[in-house]
Amino acid sequence: DAKTTQPPSMDCAEGRAANLPCNHSTISGNEYVYWYRQIHSQGPQYIIHGLKNNETNEMASLIITEDRKSSTLILPHATLRDTAVYYCIVRDGGGATNKLIFGTGTLLAVQP
Amino acid sequence: DSGVTQTPKHLITATGQRVTLRCSPRSGDLSVYWYQQSLDQGLQFLIQYYNGEERAKGNILERFSAQQFPDLHSELNLSSLELGDSALYFCASSARGTLGTGEQYFGPGTRLTVT
Repeated sequence: DAKTTQPPSMDCAEGRAANLPCNHSTISGNEYVYWYRQIHSQGPQYIIHGLKNNETNEMASLIITEDRKSSTLILPHATLRDTAVYYCIVRDGGGATNKLIFGTGTLLAVQP
Repeated sequence: DSGVTQTPKHLITATGQRVTLRCSPRSGDLSVYWYQQSLDQGLQFLIQYYNGEERAKGNILERFSAQQFPDLHSELNLSSLELGDSALYFCASSARGTLGTGEQYFGPGTRLTVT
């Protein structure tokens, strides 16, 4: 699975959009981009995933660049409850296992 | 609430002992994954079971073993415990085992403290 690079930390004001970047320059054609988050020692929570096209669900939007070498997770109106570590994971959709390889993620601190 | 349950929530035991962590996946999910999260290693994949069979292994020590039962619940057995085994242990489940893009749903974890 391709390696990802994320900034270690980011701040965001409550009510504003939080844009979390992720670089995955070695991503291959059948690898998906997944985002999970972990709120202080709770179990990680699935947010969204995508292959090529931009995706949106009730939690967030995922923007993937045309060359697929980077992506951005957007939380449209961040709240204090969105303070968490956000993990960007690249995984082969047709691989032998669905195991997740977590990096160090981005600690998003939403400020009041 | 992810629908994945783990017991116990907390476990304190001494070095050299053996413990069993239990996980019940979401209803209908066939795959169970175990992850370890320690302060210095972050979240690490340990092992995956799919419908009772081992499907993938990660950085799981030989002192650790797991199994998935016919009712799909899973147990992670940790033996000859060392101080360094103190960590959060998470179980996750997904509908699919291998192919496809199924997301994983994580339980609340078991916090193991080895003294």
